[in-house]
Amino acid sequence: EVQLLESGGGLVQPGGSLRLSCAASGFTFSSHAMSWVRQAPGKGLEWVSSISGRNSDKYFADSVKGRFTISRDNSKNTLYLQLNSLRADDTAVYYCAKSVAVPGTWGYYFDLWGQGTLVTVSS
Amino acid sequence: DIQMTQSPSSLSASVGDRVTITCQASQDISNHLIWYQQKPGKAPKVLIYGASNLKTGVPSRFSGSGSGTDFTVTITSLQPEDIATYYCQQYDNLPLTFGGGTKVEIK
Repeated sequence: EVQLLESGGGLVQPGGSLRLSCAASGFTFSSHAMSWVRQAPGKGLEWVSSISGRNSDKYFADSVKGRFTISRDNSKNTLYLQLNSLRADDTAVYYCAKSVAVPGTWGYYFDLWGQGTLVTVSS
Repeated sequence: DIQMTQSPSSLSASVGDRVTITCQASQDISNHLIWYQQKPGKAPKVLIYGASNLKTGVPSRFSGSGSGTDFTVTITSLQPEDIATYYCQQYDNLPLTFGGGTKVEIK
């Protein structure tokens, strides 16, 4: 079965750190770009970060640049997001998403999503 | 950054009604637009990609159109299982940006 399973969310104090993981199965993980998208409670979707299939290209939203790091271990079919210097406005459900790179564009769309993991930043 | 403006932000319609949601990009994105459906408590799912291509398995009552800056998704006959929030997203350029969402309810 093709699926993504996130883990690592939880309650963290402002300024703290957290590492999210996303375990992929059912497809050739190394062949696909992967991304993180978040959704604050009751709000819309916000792209956070993407990484190419071969790990060489990484992209970040301005809101997280310098604080979050994306990485992947293709031998373990796992995507990671390291969240540092967390703020209250980082509180959200974080979704891992298999990403489609479209020729002629600089971006991706997301054709498979995980169930999400909740990160709550609060003292 | 490319801004995506969706309207309306919410709508209420009867079963069987035709429903149209619009999405406007702040600059030309060709057909590099996708529509997602998100049901309460669930992750989003792809409905339409490339502005007008229905994903396999999505009911044919859904359709998408548009190019450049103006896009629409239409549900020709609203069904109870279509209750969800719908989002557009441009993938023409980074940063990737979403519309604010349209919440569809049954009247």
